[in-house]
Amino acid sequence: DIVMTQSPDSLAVFLGERATINCKSSQSVLYSSNNKNYLAWYQQKPGQPPKVLIYWASTRESGVPDRFSGSGSGTDFTLTISSLQAEDVAVYYCQQYYSTPYTFGQGTKLEIK
Amino acid sequence: EVQLVESGGGLVQPGGSLRLSCAASGFTFSNYAMSWVRQAPGKGLEWVSIILGSGAGTYYADSVKGRFTISRDNSKNTLYLQMNSLRAEDTAVYYCAKDLIAAPGLFDYWGQGTLVTVSS
Repeated sequence: DIVMTQSPDSLAVFLGERATINCKSSQSVLYSSNNKNYLAWYQQKPGQPPKVLIYWASTRESGVPDRFSGSGSGTDFTLTISSLQAEDVAVYYCQQYYSTPYTFGQGTKLEIK
Repeated sequence: EVQLVESGGGLVQPGGSLRLSCAASGFTFSNYAMSWVRQAPGKGLEWVSIILGSGAGTYYADSVKGRFTISRDNSKNTLYLQMNSLRAEDTAVYYCAKDLIAAPGLFDYWGQGTLVTVSS
């Protein structure tokens, strides 16, 4: 199984400042035949289901604000929120869909400082 | 508009069974793989199972293999999860999720979830 490890577990950032969440996979999720990283980021607010923000490691889902961006390749990935807004308070998960069992990171709780 | 509505959750004793349903609308259901993902109270997300659009292929997490069965009725636009031999550690909110057509395992729409509580 591919193990996904996020850091940090929790993060507090001032409004308007940058937030960065890291995700590391235990093996590469880069599929060589199409050069795509099978890595997604989800946002989950209290009492709500998760919402996909980023897939293929860096493709923003339609309707997601452009302050959210994803980067990385192979085994190391980053979700960046360029200017934190109050509505971004949530738990963020990375997930690999390279192979079953599809696995998630443990989550990073993002709060306002 | 894509809608996924789960039902069938509730309180069940250890060793018991439950069948979850997910009614889908707003897309051509038979074209898409569908998954179940669960979340124990206060915990993270755990993928449970996936079924391909045709229903021909199914995959399971090791934690539920042999106890849970995923199925679908494309004529009714409905996804199912039959859960047998339930354990306390199966207590969770169970989400139905639609997979992106080009990427099974990538979930672009989620239902609101149904709570399963396994307790005596």
